[in-house]
Amino acid sequence: DTGVSQDPRHKITKRGQNVTFRCDPISEHNRLYWYRQTLGQGPEFLTYFQNEAQLEKSRLLSDRFSAERPKGSFSTLEIQRTEQGDSAMYLCASSLGGQLNQPQHFGDGTRLSIL
Amino acid sequence: GENVEQHPSTLSVQEGDSAVIKCTYSDSASNYFPWYKQELGKGPQLIIDIRSNVGEKKDQRIAVTLNKTAKHFSLHITETQPEDSAVYFCAAGKYNFNKFYFGSGTKLNVKP
Repeated sequence: DTGVSQDPRHKITKRGQNVTFRCDPISEHNRLYWYRQTLGQGPEFLTYFQNEAQLEKSRLLSDRFSAERPKGSFSTLEIQRTEQGDSAMYLCASSLGGQLNQPQHFGDGTRLSIL
Repeated sequence: GENVEQHPSTLSVQEGDSAVIKCTYSDSASNYFPWYKQELGKGPQLIIDIRSNVGEKKDQRIAVTLNKTAKHFSLHITETQPEDSAVYFCAAGKYNFNKFYFGSGTKLNVKP
């Protein structure tokens, strides 16, 4: 069990630039989640995939955000035209859903800083 | 939607003492309550969870209690050690879940 892996760990970019983050879930996990965490707060749900299907999106996920999970394996989260308010930790989690529901396991996140 | 409130926001205890963190939730349909520990620069790590058909669960020095009627649940850490120092988050959701709702966190400081 290699755990959930996220890349990069840190990203610094100028306002208005596009950024893309990658998440590699635990290999047998069919569910993948993206959360955003700001300083001093708990994670907030952004979106969720079951296999390759994106089944739910939070209203926090504006049209500048897009997430994909091609082939039901790794996932990417892209933010276009970044704004100061996008500065946060972006966390990915995965779990094994279905009849053997299991809790979510988190990666160590990508910290995004907008200059 | 669900609203999870967590108290206290900071907690300082002496090594060896017990620590208790409390959470309340609003959605009576929530039936799964995990607790996560987050160390600096790391993602949240699951430490214990409880389902609504159980009132208490214990794992070594950590225990969680759930009162469904009052819609609150608590984390109890006994014989605290300096390595227990971290931020702890409670969460609520449905067991065949799509997402969790997290509390705002408790920063626990265990003084040696």
